Amino acid sequence: GAGVSQSPRYKVAKRGQDVALRCDPISGHVSLFWYQQALGQGPEFLTYFQNEAQLDKSGLPSDRFFAERPEGSVSTLKIQRTQQEDSAVYLCASKEHPSSYNSPLHFGNGTRLTVT
Amino acid sequence: GDSVTQMEGPVTLSEEAFLTINCTYTATGYPSLFWYVQYPGEGLQLLLKATKADDKGSNKGFEATYRKETTSFHLEKGSVQVSDSAVYFCALSPILTGGGNKLTFGTGTQLKVEL
Repeated sequence: GAGVSQSPRYKVAKRGQDVALRCDPISGHVSLFWYQQALGQGPEFLTYFQNEAQLDKSGLPSDRFFAERPEGSVSTLKIQRTQQEDSAVYLCASKEHPSSYNSPLHFGNGTRLTVT
Repeated sequence: GDSVTQMEGPVTLSEEAFLTINCTYTATGYPSLFWYVQYPGEGLQLLLKATKADDKGSNKGFEATYRKETTSFHLEKGSVQVSDSAVYFCALSPILTGGGNKLTFGTGTQLKVEL
């Protein structure tokens, strides 16, 4: 079946531009996560949704970062006034059952953002 | 805060060699531990997991044992193949969040297996 889909696959933005990154989770998955992966580093948690509720946004690095999941399915991560330090791969992941260890986390292939 | 430390790569091995990738962690309580793998051009995939001390996770010939006394979760495989070439990430999740939420990842170890 279809996995987690992210678009665009690559995004180049000039410093100061706003960007929007889209995530289509696996249908029916309750939990949705956003992670940021800088070059040569492991993914770092940004935010977590359970259905449409954003339960944890403690990892968002600044108020320029905003995420939403209005209908509990597709999610958008928006970055306003992009800075060079925002350059990274942004990963989305979804999970069917929030509290089950036997429910694996499915990752998308990510969006590579380059801010010039 | 929680952290995961992995051995630096790249690790280059010949096919059929024995693999160990070291992983140690710092966390309060008893986290769940995971190994994820990222093959070239693909997304992260769960390789194996262990949710309590002395548990052994295993999959595709890979194994890792949750060692509370040494706070370690080293990844091992007895005989690697070229197809195992990938980046391997060790990760933990605090027990209270349940189910592998809010993972803390290590920096990743690239494995290259040559014929």
